Formats: sequence, structure tokens, C-alpha cells
Amino acid sequence: QVQLVESGGGVVQPGRSLRLSCAASGFTFSSYGMHWVRQAPGKGLEWVAVIWYDGSKEHYAESVKGRFTISRDNFKNTVNLQMNSLRAEDTAVYYCAKEGQWLAPYFDYWGQGALLTVSS
Amino acid sequence: EIVLTQSPATLSLSPGERATLSCRASQSVDRYLAWYQQKPGQAPRLVIYDASNRATGIPARFSGSGSGTDFTLTISSLEPEDFAVYYCQQRSNWPLTFGGGTKVEIK
Repeated sequence: QVQLVESGGGVVQPGRSLRLSCAASGFTFSSYGMHWVRQAPGKGLEWVAVIWYDGSKEHYAESVKGRFTISRDNFKNTVNLQMNSLRAEDTAVYYCAKEGQWLAPYFDYWGQGALLTVSS
Repeated sequence: EIVLTQSPATLSLSPGERATLSCRASQSVDRYLAWYQQKPGQAPRLVIYDASNRATGIPARFSGSGSGTDFTLTISSLEPEDFAVYYCQQRSNWPLTFGGGTKVEIK
């Protein structure tokens, strides 16, 4: 069965960096785009970033462009989110999500989420 | 960026009643709209994709319709486990965007 397991969340000071990871299993990882979606406490869902199935393309939300970088390792079946210059407004649960179909970015599987708190 | 507006914000209904949730896009998204269900403390769950296709394991009481800018998620007869927050999401244009959500609560 498909599993997505995030790790790396925690408490970090504003301006610092953190890297989230997502370990995938149960499907052909190298065939699907992978995304990060976040949810601030008590708020709705916000799409953050995508990386193409082969790592050839990335897209970012305007709110994180230039600060966050998504990457993947198709040998280790992992996707990462490097977050730099963190701000209080980046505080959220970060979900790793799998695309439902090849090049069709809706999300049929989600991880359990990793909580990032940005606070001094 | 395509803005998705969901209405109503809250829907108060009793088990067995019909729920009708709306999602309106600021420009056409063709049929590239999905719906998700989220319960407290849980990750979202895909309910409908591409406007009207039920995701794996989703009961037939859930149905989606619409195209262009106006979409509807209908739950024909609410079961206790259906009370949750529902989000729509478009995949027509980057950046991907979500609606603000509709909370379906027990009346």
C-alpha cells in the first residue's frame, strides 16, 4: 500500500533553515510528480511546491519562491523541501502528497504531516 | 492565480439530509477540479477528481458536477462519518490553488 512519511519538522527561529523529507513506498515513485502542501494552524490548505516525476521541472507558490527548494531522489524514493529564511507565517503542518495520475496534479495520497513552528 | 471561492462556509445539516457544496473559480478551469475531505487532526482525503470522478473507495453517495467556473459536490444522504471540512482544488493553472473550505457540521 502507498505510504508517505514526512520527517524533519520542529521549532526553528525566524531567518533560520530547515529541511523536510518524505519517504515514499508502495508505488513506482519515479513515475509521479510529488508535492508539498501546507496548512497553517486553524487555516485552509495552501499548495507549496511540485517537482516533476523525473526532477526536470519545479513550480513554487509565490509565497515561498526564492526561499524554498524542492528536490527528489528517485533511487531512495524520497522528496525533500529545503526551507531557508523562514518566517513566522511559514508555521504550518507540511504534507507530502502524491499526484493521482501522471502529470495530473491532484493528490490521491497524503502523508500524515510534519509540523513546522517558526518562532523566536 | 486562479481564486476558488467555496460556499457556504458552514453547512449545518442532520444525518440523512442532502449536502450541496459549491466551488466557483475566478476563471475557467475546464473540468480540472478536485474535492477533498478533511477531518480534525487528519490529512485530507481525495473524494472527487476532474469534476466528477469518484476516487478509490469513495461511496456512491458522493458526486461531483460542473465545468468551467462552477462546480458542485453533492452528498446525497449524510452519514455520521461525512461531517468534515471539504476543500476544492484546481489543477488547470500554476500555481495550484485550493478553496477556503466548507465545514459540514451536525445540526
